[in-house]
Amino acid sequence: EVQLVESGGGLVQPGGSLRLSCAASGFPFSSYWMYWVRQAPGKGLVWVSRINTDGSATSDADSVKGRFTISRDNAKNTLYLQLNSLTAEDTAVYYCARFQTTVGAFDNWGQGTLVTVSS
Amino acid sequence: DIQMTQSPSSVSASVGDRVTITCRASQGISSWLAWYQQQPGKAPKLLIYAASSLQSGVPSRFSGSGSETDFTLTISSLQPEDFATYYCQQSNAFPTTFGGGTKVEIK
Repeated sequence: EVQLVESGGGLVQPGGSLRLSCAASGFPFSSYWMYWVRQAPGKGLVWVSRINTDGSATSDADSVKGRFTISRDNAKNTLYLQLNSLTAEDTAVYYCARFQTTVGAFDNWGQGTLVTVSS
Repeated sequence: DIQMTQSPSSVSASVGDRVTITCRASQGISSWLAWYQQQPGKAPKLLIYAASSLQSGVPSRFSGSGSETDFTLTISSLQPEDFATYYCQQSNAFPTTFGGGTKVEIK
């Protein structure tokens, strides 16, 4: 069974940092592109960052470029998102998602981890 | 970025009703369109990929159609567990983008 389990969310002050983790199991993690997608309270889904299978190529949404860093450790089957210089606009549930490149869809999602940026 | 526009933003329906949700892309995306269902407090769940292919395990009352700029998700006979928010997503061009969502509410 495919499982994606996020952790690392919480309450952080503006300007602070967090590192999110996503532990993957039940599938060959190193064979899949992975994404972080976020959802602000009461809002829709927005992609944040993506990473290719071996971690050599990443992309970030303009809203987080230069502040967030996606990475992965294929030996540990874990995806990461380092969040720096956080603002209130970054408050959201962050989901890790497995991207199925053959069909262009996210076929498995984690349960999400809530990041709240507030003083 | 390709803009995805869903309509309606919400719909009230009864159990057994046929419900249709529309998604329009700001430019042609071939069939690179997926649909997701999100229950409150839960992660999205893939329903349809490649515009019309049913994800494994998804009930056959869900169907998708369309190509290029105009797409529809149809629920043929609404069940109690179908009351949720539905999102479309395009992956024809980077970055992937989602529609704003359609909330299906109990009438």
